[in-house]
Amino acid sequence: SQELEQSPQSLIVQEGKNLTINCTSSKTLYGLYWYKQKYGEGLIFLMMLQKGGEEKSHEKITAKLDEKKQQSSLHITASQPSHAGIYLCGADIIGTGNQFYFGTGTSLTVIP
Amino acid sequence: DAGITQSPRHKVTETGTPVTLRCHQTENHRYMYWYRQDPGHGLRLIHYSYGVKDTDKGEVSDGYSVSRSKTEDFLLTLESATSSQTSVYFCAISAGTGIMNTEAFFGQGTRLTVV
Repeated sequence: SQELEQSPQSLIVQEGKNLTINCTSSKTLYGLYWYKQKYGEGLIFLMMLQKGGEEKSHEKITAKLDEKKQQSSLHITASQPSHAGIYLCGADIIGTGNQFYFGTGTSLTVIP
Repeated sequence: DAGITQSPRHKVTETGTPVTLRCHQTENHRYMYWYRQDPGHGLRLIHYSYGVKDTDKGEVSDGYSVSRSKTEDFLLTLESATSSQTSVYFCAISAGTGIMNTEAFFGQGTRLTVV
């Protein structure tokens, strides 16, 4: 079973449009991480959320963790071709020891 | 970029042969991890290490073994490669207590094909 459900699996948006990616767990999280991966490359850390209700922004990307610490959303405002890639959420889930789980990823394509 | 290097970057091997992938770090981080990435499954943890000679299994450890004889190197061995182990393998390092308390750095990945 997948510990972290990520949706949608893929997104194709026109440049300038806003978009949202969701990451959901059935269990409470210690914290939630968002990563971006360019095709064929390693992961780049975007941001970490640890407190319920926390929201962080970096340039045009905003991520929020819900109060129950079971769901996070990543929102991109006015998307650009440079935002294209695979977005992965990752989390350390309470009760699972040192294991770290990832969502299945969301592939984002931004059309100029 | 964080000092983490994976080698080789690409490898093609035959079924039944042993394969070793290397992860080398220059950050002196305590924690090191091996993941595999497959379509539809995202990243799955194979094994991780929390110190020299201290390792533990992840969710997909069957068919893999690891060793960490010094802080900077974490080796992943496929004892007898199978086609189901064709994947992209990522190494990660972190300084904190588990991957969650501090930023984790990832290698560039190793694309392994078992024919």
